[in-house]
Order: sequence, then structure tokens, then C-alpha cells
Amino acid sequence: QQQVKQSPQSLIVQKGGISIINCAYENTAFDYFPWYQQFPGKGPALLIAIRPDVSEKKEGRFTISFNKSAKQFSLHIMDSQPGDSATYFCAASIGGSEKLVFGKGTKLTVNP
Amino acid sequence: AAGVIQSPRHLIKEKRETATLKCYPIPRHDTVYWYQQGPGQDPQFLISFYEKMQSDKGSIPDRFSAQQFSDYHSELNMSSLELGDSALYFCASSRRGESPLHFGNGTRLTVT
Repeated sequence: QQQVKQSPQSLIVQKGGISIINCAYENTAFDYFPWYQQFPGKGPALLIAIRPDVSEKKEGRFTISFNKSAKQFSLHIMDSQPGDSATYFCAASIGGSEKLVFGKGTKLTVNP
Repeated sequence: AAGVIQSPRHLIKEKRETATLKCYPIPRHDTVYWYQQGPGQDPQFLISFYEKMQSDKGSIPDRFSAQQFSDYHSELNMSSLELGDSALYFCASSRRGESPLHFGNGTRLTVT
């Protein structure tokens, strides 16, 4: 049973467009929701993270929106660039430095 | 900044052989996590250590074992290798209660 469900599986966006990736979770004990970016042959790298006490967090072109009642959170990438092409994983944990449960990943392709 | 160091980067073994993967966490990080990532899959949690003691266990086969040493580096020992063990193995580290997980670039294990 996938504890964190991620969609879409793949996403193609034009340069300058907005990329949106969605995740939903079941376990209400989760209290830390990071997004990781992974390039081929590399380890996942932390992009941005949020805790349930805020509904939105923005860092540069990346924004996390969090809906606690719906148990959903999403990543928005504004002004998407070809260099953003990577696989994005949402994740959840109980406690910020505890083991992560990952979504299945979204392969983002940003066309020039 | 120092990152999580994993060795070797690539490893080719035959069925029924053994393999040892090493992980050197970020300095002052006291917790180490091991994840397995199959082709096109999300990382799956295997096992974690906090202050040299096993802290959590995931879907780690009985053929695998791991430990964390006094200098906080960790080793994942894999015996009786099977074709299905071919995957990327990531180590991540954190300082419990203070920081998110930081991943290494992984060891790509190929079992032939």
C-alpha cells in the first residue's frame, strides 16, 4: 500500500510554463513533507519542505501548497526551465529527520 | 559543504556472491539511513541507525545486514546476491531532530 500517492507519473512543460505535481497521504501522523529532486545517476536532493502548520511555502521559483484537511500537498515550479528536467519525489515523515516515505516520482521534462 | 560519501560508485557481482557498501555521513550527523531504488522506482527504506544502534527497519531482506561504526560510518553487507538485488543503493544522513535527510550519490549494484 502506497502511503504517499503522487501524480502525474510524467509531465512535459514548455519553458516558462508552470509545472504542478500533486501528492496525497493517508497517515495523519506525518508532520514533515519534503520534495526531492533527482537527476539521473545522482541521489535525491532536498528542494523544499513544509510542515502542516503552514499552508504555503515559497523558495524562489518553487512553492509548496499544503491542504491539511484534504491530506494533500503540491509542488509548483514557476517559470520552468530546461535545467529543471528531473524526477521529483514528494515524501513524508514523522519528524523532520526520520525515515522518509516517498511517492512514486514524477519525471518532468521542460522543453526549450 | 561536505556531503554524504558512498563507495564504491559502481559494483558488479555475480549471483550468490557477497557485497559490502560503505557510507560516510556528513560530519556531526548521528543518523544513517539506507534506501534501495530499483529502475524507475522510488527509494525504498531498508534500515537506519542512530548513534550506532539500529533505530528502524524497513523492507530489508534477511540476506542483508548493516551496522554503524564508532566513527558513524555505516556498511551495508549483502550476501547470496540475487538478480533482483540489482539497484541503486542510497545512504542518507541527518542530525536527529535538527536537519532533514541528505542523500549520497549512491552505489549502483549490478548482479549478473
